[in-house]
Amino acid sequence: NAGVMQNPRHLVRRRGQEARLRCSPMKGHSHVYWYRQLPEEGLKFMVYLQKENIIDESGMPKERFSAEFPKEGPSILRIQQVVRGDSAAYFCASSPPGQTANTGELFFGEGSRLTVL
Amino acid sequence: GENVEQHPSTLSVQEGDSAVIKCTYSDSASNYFPWYKQELGKRPQLIIDIRSNVGEKKDQRIAVTLNKTAKHFSLHITETQPEDSAVYFCAASWRGGYQKVTFGTGTKLQVIP
Repeated sequence: NAGVMQNPRHLVRRRGQEARLRCSPMKGHSHVYWYRQLPEEGLKFMVYLQKENIIDESGMPKERFSAEFPKEGPSILRIQQVVRGDSAAYFCASSPPGQTANTGELFFGEGSRLTVL
Repeated sequence: GENVEQHPSTLSVQEGDSAVIKCTYSDSASNYFPWYKQELGKRPQLIIDIRSNVGEKKDQRIAVTLNKTAKHFSLHITETQPEDSAVYFCAASWRGGYQKVTFGTGTKLQVIP
């Protein structure tokens, strides 16, 4: 099992460009979470998705950010018109189906580090 | 929503000493409390967790305690080693149909050889 795969690991964008971050969950996992980590800070919840559904996007900024998890292919976090404040590490995590708040572990990817010039 | 506070933000200990990190949470519905370790430039990884029906759990040199009445939980690392140096995050998970995990702000632990 290859684990949670994120790409790109590093991404540099100029202000106003778009950033697309991809996440392939662990095999057999159908739940995907995106977290943002600013330098020297903790992990902030952004969005929780299941296949073809956004379950909770309460942590997503209202503008410029969107996420999807299509039936086929990886989950994608898209940031339009990036600004310097978007520079951060974006971590994806996955968990298996049927997991509830009382059951267990989130499996994290290595993260995608976005730098906005 | 849930709010998790974590202290201290940085902690330096001599090798062999113990380290204690404390967290509080706000939502009484939370019932799962994991701890993650993140080494520099790496992914967070689960090191220990505790559920609300348990007051204490131990795994070799690490232990976690939970006080549901006071809404606080702690991580204890004994006989610290240089490889324990990392950032540690506590978290609380919301009781619901899915696992929404809220993390603390992290504690940077430095073990001095």
